[in-house]
Parts: sequence; structure tokens; C-alpha cells
Amino acid sequence: DQQVKQNSPSLSVQEGRISILNCDYTNSMFDYFLWYKKYPAEGPTFLISISSIKDKNEDGRFTVFLNKSAKHLSLHIVPSQPGDSAVYFCAGVYNNNDMRFGAGTRLTVKP
Amino acid sequence: DTGVSQNPRHKITKRGQNVTFRCDPISEHNRLYWYRQTLGQGPEFLTYFQNEAQLEKSRLLSDRFSAERPKGSFSTLEIQRTEQGDSAMYLCASSDPGLNSPLHFGNGTRLTVT
Repeated sequence: DQQVKQNSPSLSVQEGRISILNCDYTNSMFDYFLWYKKYPAEGPTFLISISSIKDKNEDGRFTVFLNKSAKHLSLHIVPSQPGDSAVYFCAGVYNNNDMRFGAGTRLTVKP
Repeated sequence: DTGVSQNPRHKITKRGQNVTFRCDPISEHNRLYWYRQTLGQGPEFLTYFQNEAQLEKSRLLSDRFSAERPKGSFSTLEIQRTEQGDSAMYLCASSDPGLNSPLHFGNGTRLTVT
């Protein structure tokens, strides 16, 4: 059962523009969400997180928005840089340790 | 940088053979996780340890799979009688005991079963 869905397998944006990566979830028990970034031949690295009691969290160029009623979250990267090109995974957490991942979105930032 | 270390990075084996992977977590992390990732998918949870206790196992973890963390430090994941469907990237992650602490992943072990 896919509790976290990333429906766009890929996204291409121009350097300097905004990248918006989307994620939908079905499990209403998730109380925390995270975004991970993955480069080829490396494990995923933590990027940014948000608690279910918040609707926005910002860290530099990265902002995550959460819409609980729609069971939707998004990651905004602005301005996008070529080094941001990677696969981005959305994950939901419940019971403090049960983490479920989406299938990922490959972001390409063109110079 | 003492991140999560996994060995080997790659393993090619013939169907029916047994394989064992090792994970060394970040030293102060008491939680350790094993995930499996196949092409085009996100990491899928396999099992989770808190210290030496295995607290949760996914139904994906058939009886051919066994994981241990005998002293609450490194962990091993063994797959017996490998099948071609076991070919995947096996990822280990660790975290500290804080609420909703992010997982720190290793670079994985890529298993190819021929």
C-alpha cells in the first residue's frame, strides 16, 4: 500500500526559477513529514521537515508547505541551482519511527 | 566524517547463495533501520532496532531475511537462498532517540542476484 505518493517522476526547471515538488499522502496518522535529497550512488540525505501542527517551514532556499485537509505537501526551492539536481523523496512518519517514502521526483535544474 | 557506513558497496551473487551485509551506524545513534530500494521506487522499510532489540519487522521481510544487532552497535542483514527478486539497493540508516529525529542513511549495498 502506497501511503505516500509523488505523482511526478521528473521535473525540469531553469536555473534561478522556482522548483515545486509535490507529495500526497493517505495515512492520517502521519504526524511528521520530511524531504530527502538523493544523488546517484549515495544514500538519501535529510533536507527539511515539518510537523503536522504547522503549515509551513522554511530553511534558506527551501520551504515546505503542508495542507492537512488535502493531505498534500510541497517543497519549494527558490532560486533553483544546478547543484539541486537530484532525486527528492517525501516521507511521512508516525509512531515516532515508522517512516514511509514516496517513489521520488527527479529534479533537473538547467543552467 | 563518521557517517553511516555500509559494506560491501556492491555484491553480485548467484541465485540460491546466502549473502550478508554490514552496517555501522553513527556511534551515538541508538536507532538503526534497514530499508530496501528498487529502481524507480522510494526506500521501503524492512526492520528497525532500538539498541540491540529488533522492535519492528515489515511483512516484506520474508523468513529468508534475518537482521541482527548483537551489541547495539553495528548490524548485519542476511539473505538466505537469494532470489532474483532480491536484487535491490539495501540501505541502512540510524537516528538518535529524539522525537522525529531524521534518519541518516548510508550509501547502501547494491545486491545483484544472477
